[in-house]
Amino acid sequence: GENVEQHPSTLSVQEGDSAVIKCTYSDSASNYFPWYKQELGKRPQLIIDIRSNVGEKKDQRIAVTLNKTAKHFSLHITETQPEDSAVYFCAAEGGSYIPTFGRGTSLIVHP
Amino acid sequence: DARVTQTPRHKVTEMGQEVTMRCQPILGHNTVFWYRQTMMQGLELLAYFRNRAPLDDSGMPKDRFSAEMPDATLATLKIQPSEPRDSAVYFCASAAPPQPLHFGNGTRLTVT
Repeated sequence: GENVEQHPSTLSVQEGDSAVIKCTYSDSASNYFPWYKQELGKRPQLIIDIRSNVGEKKDQRIAVTLNKTAKHFSLHITETQPEDSAVYFCAAEGGSYIPTFGRGTSLIVHP
Repeated sequence: DARVTQTPRHKVTEMGQEVTMRCQPILGHNTVFWYRQTMMQGLELLAYFRNRAPLDDSGMPKDRFSAEMPDATLATLKIQPSEPRDSAVYFCASAAPPQPLHFGNGTRLTVT
C-alpha cells in the first residue's frame, strides 16, 4: 500500500519568515495530494490540493509543489503569521480515493 | 456550508462501558471514514464505507470495535468494552470522490 513520510515533525519560525513542509510518497499511482490544517482542538480542514497533472499551485500565501518523478510534494507558506500556527497534514491518494496521511507537522510561528 | 456532524463532542466513561459515537455525513457523500487521533499516532484510519458497504476495517481492534452504517445519513462506531488506551479523539469524515474529505468536529473520548 501507499506510504507517506512527512518532515519535519515540528517547525518553529519567526513571524514573517517562510515555512516549508515536505512529504514523500511510495505509490507512483497516487495522483491527488491534499494538505490539511488542524488548529488546536479543531478538525482538520483542507487548505490546498494538487493533482498530478500540474507541478505547482498557489493560493495567496500558500503554495504546493509536486515532483512526480521523485515522488515528493511540498507545502510552502510565505510571510508566516501567528494564526498559521497549527498541525499540517499531507496526504496522497490514488484511484481508490482513500487518502494516506503523513504523521503531521506542528508549525509554531513566534510573534 | 455543509458539515459532517458528530455526536457526542465529548464522552467520559469508565473502563468496561460501551461507547457509541455517531456521525452524519454530508448529504450526497457516499464515502465515510472513521479516524482515531492521539498525540503520538497522527490520524489513524479505523474503517471506511462506500455506498454504506464496509470496505476496510483492518485498522480496528475487531474484538472490541465495530463500525456500521445503518443508512446513508448515519454511521456509528462502537467500543465494547472500552479501555483507557481507547482515549483519543475520533473523527468521522465524508467524501464524494474525487472531491476531498470533509472532517467532522470529532468526539473526544476519555476512558477512566
